[in-house]
Amino acid sequence: QKEVEQNSGPLSVPEGAIASLNCTYSDRGSQSFFWYRQYSGKSPELIMSIYSNGDKEDGRFTAQLNKASQYVSLLIRDSQPSDSATYLCAVNLIYGNKLVFGAGTILRVKS
Amino acid sequence: EAGVTQFPSHSVIEKGQTVTLRCDPISGHDNLYWYRRVMGKEIKFLLHFVKESKQDESGMPNNRFLAERTGGTYSTLKVQPAELEDSGVYFCASSQAGDGSKLFFGEGSRLTVL
Repeated sequence: QKEVEQNSGPLSVPEGAIASLNCTYSDRGSQSFFWYRQYSGKSPELIMSIYSNGDKEDGRFTAQLNKASQYVSLLIRDSQPSDSATYLCAVNLIYGNKLVFGAGTILRVKS
Repeated sequence: EAGVTQFPSHSVIEKGQTVTLRCDPISGHDNLYWYRRVMGKEIKFLLHFVKESKQDESGMPNNRFLAERTGGTYSTLKVQPAELEDSGVYFCASSQAGDGSKLFFGEGSRLTVL
């Protein structure tokens, strides 16, 4: 079992719709969770971090964490073509100060 | 403020040759990380420096890889001799916090070993 799992996609949504990206992790003791966005050939860019159960909103982005289910999600409201990118879920495992990444989900927003 | 810069952006070498990748972190960031993404796989941790000291090098694949951070500023990652399976994108990241959070990544150095 992979430590962090994501559906590779691509996930296609129409412009203006809500994009829902999901991630599960294996280490129940994980404390910190992150979503990075990566455009093709560019650096991963941190867009959301979440540390406690529930929802965290920042603009059009909402991160959701459910530690009991070991599940993290990212919702993107009013999706725009510029949101088309690979979204990487990353988890800071309890036993180290390093991030473990999922393989990423490709999001395509069609205008 | 300048971000994390990496050089070269792309390197093509023959199997058995040596390559050195360089990373300049954001000024003032004591923590510097190297990660690697091979084709179709996840980004994986290689090692973590705090200033000039190796905090965690558990992700280094084998002794063909040598990372240094002399003076706690820029870092180099040398692969010698390179093998085909070393091909991938090598990312450097830096942060102020040492807990693995809020990493700022460079655009990566793509290594192709033929």
